Amino acid sequence: GENVEQHPSTLSVQEGDSAVIKCTYSDSASNYFPWYKQELGKRPQLIIDIRSNVGEKKDQRIAVTLNKTAKHFSLHITETQPEDSAVYFCAANSKTSYDKVIFGPGTSLSVIP
Amino acid sequence: SQTIHQWPATLVQPVGSPLSLECTVEGTSNPNLYWYRQAAGRGLQLLFYSVGIGQISSEVPQNLSASRPQDRQFILSSKKLLLSDSGFYLCAWTRTSSGNTIYFGEGSWLTVV
Repeated sequence: GENVEQHPSTLSVQEGDSAVIKCTYSDSASNYFPWYKQELGKRPQLIIDIRSNVGEKKDQRIAVTLNKTAKHFSLHITETQPEDSAVYFCAANSKTSYDKVIFGPGTSLSVIP
Repeated sequence: SQTIHQWPATLVQPVGSPLSLECTVEGTSNPNLYWYRQAAGRGLQLLFYSVGIGQISSEVPQNLSASRPQDRQFILSSKKLLLSDSGFYLCAWTRTSSGNTIYFGEGSWLTVV
């Protein structure tokens, strides 16, 4: 079935350093790849997304890259701040049955002041 | 603008008791609706999705059920709760066309004792 893998499961960085989270997906027909940030006890919130017709997208300190051939996409956070500490989920839409969203297992990011 | 609400926000229920979580979406019509469950410190597990009134698909076998009595209303139910049903339940919606952002409700914390 459809699957999204995500690595690492936990990530700890010093404030000001960069953080990179990588995901792979299995459905070659996927064309939409969102990233969500979930703070403790709260709902996931969309932080950035990318569509298959674009290789890279940037929004201030956050960027996402997509390699459709390899079925990889990554989240890059530069100049990390303590408020970036959260769980991050990558996702991909799956078109094998209906247009649902499959989430990766999540990455717990800790930014150390 | 579109909004999504779910309730109750928290509940503590004894094993074997029934459950009803409700979700409504405002400001849109014919949305795709979803119920996710998140165990403590874990990822987002898709439980049910619906593409229209009375149309429910289940992703995992369990003692939960879902119903969609109206276009923008989605209900998660159980006749007899198990300890393993404890978790954070999230209702979500997307527009029906391909590759649209998924928006989550505030979530409902369920503790089965």
